[in-house]
Amino acid sequence: DIQLTQSPSFLSASVGNRVTITCRASQGISSHLAWYQQKPGTAPKLLIYAASTLQSGVPSRFSGSGSGTEFTLTISSLQPEDFATYYCQQLNSYPYSFGQGTKLEIK
Amino acid sequence: QVQLVQSGSELKKPGASVKVSCKASGYTFTSFAINWVRQAPGQGLEWMGWINTNTGTPTYAQGFTGRFVFSLDISVSTASLQISGLKAEDTAVYYCAREYRYRYSYMDVWGKGTTVTVSS
Repeated sequence: DIQLTQSPSFLSASVGNRVTITCRASQGISSHLAWYQQKPGTAPKLLIYAASTLQSGVPSRFSGSGSGTEFTLTISSLQPEDFATYYCQQLNSYPYSFGQGTKLEIK
Repeated sequence: QVQLVQSGSELKKPGASVKVSCKASGYTFTSFAINWVRQAPGQGLEWMGWINTNTGTPTYAQGFTGRFVFSLDISVSTASLQISGLKAEDTAVYYCAREYRYRYSYMDVWGKGTTVTVSS
């Protein structure tokens, strides 16, 4: 099974900051990685798929990169609505798996 | 619009069963797989498995075999998750999610989640 490890688990930042979240896979997954945003009490929302493709309607301040075993999600200029928990997910092979999440908090 | 509408919250006693439904609308139900994801209180997302909406074939992640059953009612574009022999540790929010599959897969439409609480 493929394990995903996100870092950091918690991140404190201010509006306007640039932040980067890393997701490392225990084995190569090509570009079969998605990123989701989840706010308290709501369902996850797809942000990026295929490691770097922005889902329709997602602001361009979100970007993804990487392939193989190391991936990043970058938010170029944090907005108040971006404070949430972010998860990566590998869809390369079964069982699909999620990272443990990164909680982004307001500094 | 494309959406997945899940059934409402459930409060069950240990040992009981529960069935969570996920009704699709706005798209051709059999064109996309349905995945199930669990989120225990204060915890992360856990992939439970998926069901092929063409064949009805379920695939379960380890830890979700035996008491968990995925099923379909194609006539009403609905997927269901049934959990039997409920335990306190089954207390969680259960999400269904549509999986787009082409060159790459991703879960682009999610239900709002169904809270299942198991308590005596």
